[in-house]
Amino acid sequence: GENVEQHPSTLSVQEGDSAVIKCTYSDSASNYFPWYKQELGKRPQLIIDIRSNVGEKKDQRIAVTLNKTAKHFSLHITETQPEDSAVYFCAAPLVGGADGLTFGKGTHLIIQP
Amino acid sequence: DTAVSQTPKYLVTQMGNDKSIKCEQNLGHDTMYWYKQDSKKFLKIMFSYNNKELIINETVPNRFSPKSPDKAHLNLHINSLELGDSAVYFCASSSRTGGTEAFFGQGTRLTVV
Repeated sequence: GENVEQHPSTLSVQEGDSAVIKCTYSDSASNYFPWYKQELGKRPQLIIDIRSNVGEKKDQRIAVTLNKTAKHFSLHITETQPEDSAVYFCAAPLVGGADGLTFGKGTHLIIQP
Repeated sequence: DTAVSQTPKYLVTQMGNDKSIKCEQNLGHDTMYWYKQDSKKFLKIMFSYNNKELIINETVPNRFSPKSPDKAHLNLHINSLELGDSAVYFCASSSRTGGTEAFFGQGTRLTVV
């Protein structure tokens, strides 16, 4: 089955700086890579996703890049703000597009004022 | 309107008891899931249902029995609860198999004492 590794487990950045979270996956047939944000005590919510036919996608201050050859994808947050503090999860389909997602272990992003 | 709703939000029970968590989605999705999030925030899929049929059972003990009376509902029944079952359980749904956004319910925090 798919295996998703996520780094770092904790990331502390100064407000206004950029943050980058990286994930690798094992199944070369995987074709969909979402990122979820989970605030304390809340549900995970999708913030951005990318499909295997593109290399980069942006939405305002967040972007995701995908390197299919190396089997890794990254989340980039620019001009970080206090409300960006949360746990971020990357994910990939369970096995080659089967139902459900395998999640990385999460990155706790802390924005220092 | 809440897209994916689950009840109860909190559940405290003694070891050995049997309990149920209910989930309903009003998004018209065909696929529903149960995920377990442990104390370290690891998010792992338990079950996947497509149009009321079980698609995936990720090596979950048979004390856990999901039931889908229709494609808008996926309930989780747990028999003979153990201390290790304490976690947050999330229901989720998506519009088709693999490769689309999963919408999560607000979670049920289960505490077994």
